[in-house]
Amino acid sequence: DTGVSQDPRHKITKRGQNVTFRCDPISEHNRLYWYRQTLGQGPEFLTYFQNEAQLEKSRLLSDRFSAERPKGSFSTLEIQRTEQGDSAMYLCASSLERMIDSPLHFGNGTRLTVT
Amino acid sequence: ILNVEQSPQSLHVQEGDSTNFTCGFPSSNFYALHWYRWETAKSPEALFVMTLNGDEKKKGRISATLNTKEGYSYLYIKGSQPEDSATYLCAFNAANAGGTSYGKLTFGQGTILTVHP
Repeated sequence: DTGVSQDPRHKITKRGQNVTFRCDPISEHNRLYWYRQTLGQGPEFLTYFQNEAQLEKSRLLSDRFSAERPKGSFSTLEIQRTEQGDSAMYLCASSLERMIDSPLHFGNGTRLTVT
Repeated sequence: ILNVEQSPQSLHVQEGDSTNFTCGFPSSNFYALHWYRWETAKSPEALFVMTLNGDEKKKGRISATLNTKEGYSYLYIKGSQPEDSATYLCAFNAANAGGTSYGKLTFGQGTILTVHP
């Protein structure tokens, strides 16, 4: 169990650029989640996958955000035409759906700064 | 939209003090309630996942209780230490119409605990 890893740890981009983040979950975990956290707030749900199927996407999420989980392994989160309001910590987490008391295992996050 | 409220927003205590925080969540469609600790520059770490009304869980000096009928959970820290300084998050997992997990967790805004030596 090497834990959940996210790449990159930090990303600085100019407004209007596209960015892509990667998450590698714990290998036997079938659920993968993306959350976003801004200062003073708790993590805000973005989307989650069960295996390769994207089961839910937040209605608050703009069409500029897209996520994939090909083959049910790693996941990518892409933000197109970034805006300053996209600056946040993007957290990935994974869990084992079969267990009622299965916690989320989080990565260290990707901190995005849009200038 | 599910509402998960945590209080207080922040708390400063002296080393050795005992403290507690509150998490309020919807009293219907309950599946599970999670507590996480998030230290600066680290990833959030699970403390407890609570599933049964009246449940009490303990991990060292930290314990939690659950009341699903009234929609609240308390987290207690006994004899706080500086290394307990962190943001404590609770998260609500709703049940779907079939009684299984809806899937996503809805987090509260967190309680920031600072323990002064």
